[in-house]
Amino acid sequence: DAKTTQPTSMDCAEGRAANLPCNHSTISGNEYVYWYRQIHSQGPQYIIHGLKNNETNEMASLIITEDRKSSTLILPHATLRDTAVYYCIAHGGSQGNLIFGKGTKLSVKP
Amino acid sequence: EAEVAQSPRYKITEKSQAVAFWCDPISGHATLYWYRQILGQGPELLVQFQDESVVDDSQLPKDRFSAERLKGVDSTLKIQPAELGDSAMYLCASSFLGDTEAFFGQGTRLTVV
Repeated sequence: DAKTTQPTSMDCAEGRAANLPCNHSTISGNEYVYWYRQIHSQGPQYIIHGLKNNETNEMASLIITEDRKSSTLILPHATLRDTAVYYCIAHGGSQGNLIFGKGTKLSVKP
Repeated sequence: EAEVAQSPRYKITEKSQAVAFWCDPISGHATLYWYRQILGQGPELLVQFQDESVVDDSQLPKDRFSAERLKGVDSTLKIQPAELGDSAMYLCASSFLGDTEAFFGQGTRLTVV
């Protein structure tokens, strides 16, 4: 699976949109971009994934660039409960491994 | 809502002792993962199963760690003997297929003293 690069940490004001970037310049054609988050002392939680098109669900939106070399996870109205480590993973193929990096620690502040 | 079940939630063991963790994946999920997470780091894949077969155990320290999923359903991860450096969170996850979203359990926090 392709390696991803994320900023170590980010801050966001409560109620504002949180935009978390991810670079995956070596992503291959069959690899999806997955986002997970991990709230302190809990297991990671699936957020969203996409291949080429932008995706939206009840938790977040995922914007993938046309060349697929980077993406942005958007939390439209961040709350204090969104404070967590967010992981971006390029993952694909039935035998592919779900490999986590160090992620981005998002701190939502009042 | 279906969940991945793990037990125990917490385990304290003395070094050189044996310890085992259990995971029951979401029903129907063929792929099962075991991860180790050291404080402050991302989860590290230890072993991946597809049904009862090991797909990847390249990062599993096989001199002391073993994992099995005999009937392709629940799974056990064992450490024998435990070392101080094994203190970590052990996470189990499952997915319907290897390339679909994975669902994680709450983990087992292991402390080796």
